[in-house]
Amino acid sequence: AQKITQTQPGMFVQEKEAVTLDCTYDTSDPSYGLFWYKQPSSGEMIFLIYQGSYDQQNATEGRYSLNFQKARKSANLVISASQLGDSAMYFCAMREWYNQGGKLIFGQGTELSVKP
Amino acid sequence: NAGVTQTPKFQVLKTGQSMTLQCAQDMNHNSMYWYRQDPGMGLRLIYYSASEGTTDKGEVPNGYNVSRLNKREFSLRLESAAPSQTSVYFCASSDGYREQETQYFGPGTRLLVL
Repeated sequence: AQKITQTQPGMFVQEKEAVTLDCTYDTSDPSYGLFWYKQPSSGEMIFLIYQGSYDQQNATEGRYSLNFQKARKSANLVISASQLGDSAMYFCAMREWYNQGGKLIFGQGTELSVKP
Repeated sequence: NAGVTQTPKFQVLKTGQSMTLQCAQDMNHNSMYWYRQDPGMGLRLIYYSASEGTTDKGEVPNGYNVSRLNKREFSLRLESAAPSQTSVYFCASSDGYREQETQYFGPGTRLLVL
């Protein structure tokens, strides 16, 4: 079974609008971390935001926020005021406490295109 | 402060050739990782090193070996390259291996095996 599911292969958003990228996860571990990474066309993986399973508040980093709904096992990324430079692949990833070595488990990604 | 660096950036190999991908980090991180990314997929872990002097297999270790040379450097070796190893390889590092530790990635190495 997929541990991380990103159901939107591609998304379009108008510049300056907000967009939500979906991510659901599957784990029985009570302690885990959720991460979002951005991969622009240049290929590097850029860390955006982190949410811990015990965090009471949703994480925010500038224009990025994580809508964490633990009971639904979802960790959606919200990008506010989209910019042309936000066009990229976005990956949701999870790290479980019991997973020795701290392997990151990645979803298949969502390609975001920002229209001018 | 360069973060995580990888060499080479791009490599073409013939089937059966060997090569070593180099990775270094200057963040004094304890843990290092090698992932591969295939088209349309997220990254998959090949090998990792939780701390200097230790290495362990990840999800897709077959056909690869690693060496944690020191705290800064973690190399990935392909002994006999196969076309199935055509991929983009990413090295990453983190301060530790707990669930809250963020991994930081290098720029990647694009490998083409003919």
